[in-house]
Amino acid sequence: QKEVEQDPGPLSVPEGAIVSLNCTYSNSAFQYFMWYRQYSRKGPELLMYTYSSGNKEDGRFTAQVDKSSKYISLFIRDSQPSDSATYLCAMSGVFTDSWGKLQFGAGTQVVVTP
Amino acid sequence: GAGVSQSPSNKVTEKGKDVELRCDPISGHTALYWYRQSLGQGLEFLIYFQGNSAPDKSGLPSDRFSAERTGGSVSTLTIQRTQQEDSAVYLCASSMGRGGRSSYEQYFGPGTRLTVT
Repeated sequence: QKEVEQDPGPLSVPEGAIVSLNCTYSNSAFQYFMWYRQYSRKGPELLMYTYSSGNKEDGRFTAQVDKSSKYISLFIRDSQPSDSATYLCAMSGVFTDSWGKLQFGAGTQVVVTP
Repeated sequence: GAGVSQSPSNKVTEKGKDVELRCDPISGHTALYWYRQSLGQGLEFLIYFQGNSAPDKSGLPSDRFSAERTGGSVSTLTIQRTQQEDSAVYLCASSMGRGGRSSYEQYFGPGTRLTVT
């Protein structure tokens, strides 16, 4: 079983809808939780990060972490066709031997249709 | 400013040949990371550098894989005697340092798409 599980999709939504993405994980040592966006033939770019539990909002994006359930979510409000991409969750621990060693989910492909 | 660059962008090689993949990190970034992304899979951590040293090589799939970094800047990932299962996109990332936010705020290059025939 992988440490980080993520449904690969594809997830198709109409423009303006809310996109809901999530990941589950098994390693309780994870403390940093990130969401990356990857356009086709490009490298991933960091969208959101959260340390430990809680919610974080940045414009149309909201990230949530529920450590008790080992479950993280990303919500995209008022989705636009330009949001069409693959969204990858990533996690890391706080101890020195795990610094920078991000564990990624498989990525969810999102398609926003006009 | 300039982002992370990688070369070549595409590489087709025959099984058994050696290949070298190059990464130029963002200027001033001391930490550098290599990942592999296979079709339908997430990113798989391979190795990281802090300066020129690589404290953790545990992610390298086999002893056919090696990496070096010189001058605290450019890094080269070498795959010897390539196999078909090595076909993937190899991504390089850099960050300002290691520890806390410096670790996870990684900036990725566009990747090198390797195809082994």
